[in-house]
Amino acid sequence: GAVVSQHPSRVICKSGTSVKIECRSLDFQATTMFWYRQFPKQSLMLMATSNEGSKATYEQGVEKDKFLINHASLTLSTLTVTSAHPEDSSFYICSATRTSGQETQYFGPGTRLLVL
Amino acid sequence: GQQLNQSPQSMFIQEGEDVSMNCTSSSIFNTWLWYKQDPGEGPVLLIALYKAGELTSNGRLTAQFGITRKDSFLNISASIPSDVGIYFCAGRGQAGTALIFGKGTTLSVSS
Repeated sequence: GAVVSQHPSRVICKSGTSVKIECRSLDFQATTMFWYRQFPKQSLMLMATSNEGSKATYEQGVEKDKFLINHASLTLSTLTVTSAHPEDSSFYICSATRTSGQETQYFGPGTRLLVL
Repeated sequence: GQQLNQSPQSMFIQEGEDVSMNCTSSSIFNTWLWYKQDPGEGPVLLIALYKAGELTSNGRLTAQFGITRKDSFLNISASIPSDVGIYFCAGRGQAGTALIFGKGTTLSVSS
């Protein structure tokens, strides 16, 4: 069964509004979660690394004030797209690292964001 | 960001055929993972490899962690229509760091 959940699965919003996406590890604690963005027919591009209890680490070219990440607990990380614009429309996917013997990364089902 | 070289980019095969795809990197990885992604969904883990030379199977899928630690392959035997999707390789250097993804191999299977 799914070990990482995301909510909402899809969202449509007006330009200028903010959207919050939640990522939860369901049966394990994840000190590190990752946020990816995927455009149609392309691979996953890492946006940021979310660390529980500390500031997120953003990849080059990703605006930290635009994409706010909060990792308040060991099972929850949130990504807030602030003042969304049509170019922010994309498929956002989170992942969580499970460390039980070996480190394995599990992905959420993704959130489809459409900004009108 | 940095990406792996994954090939082929796409494959069109007949049901029952075997499939092979591979990834290479200029960097050494300590972990190789293979994922499958269906449209509109997140990637699903198929096989995880943690040791150079490791050969691991999951049903009709077999993957190997190259001896040089710079490459990995995935084989699918006796393909079926539900194998259709995009397959991604992913590698990681140090523990705790993010995965680096290949560009994906799109597999089409005709019955």
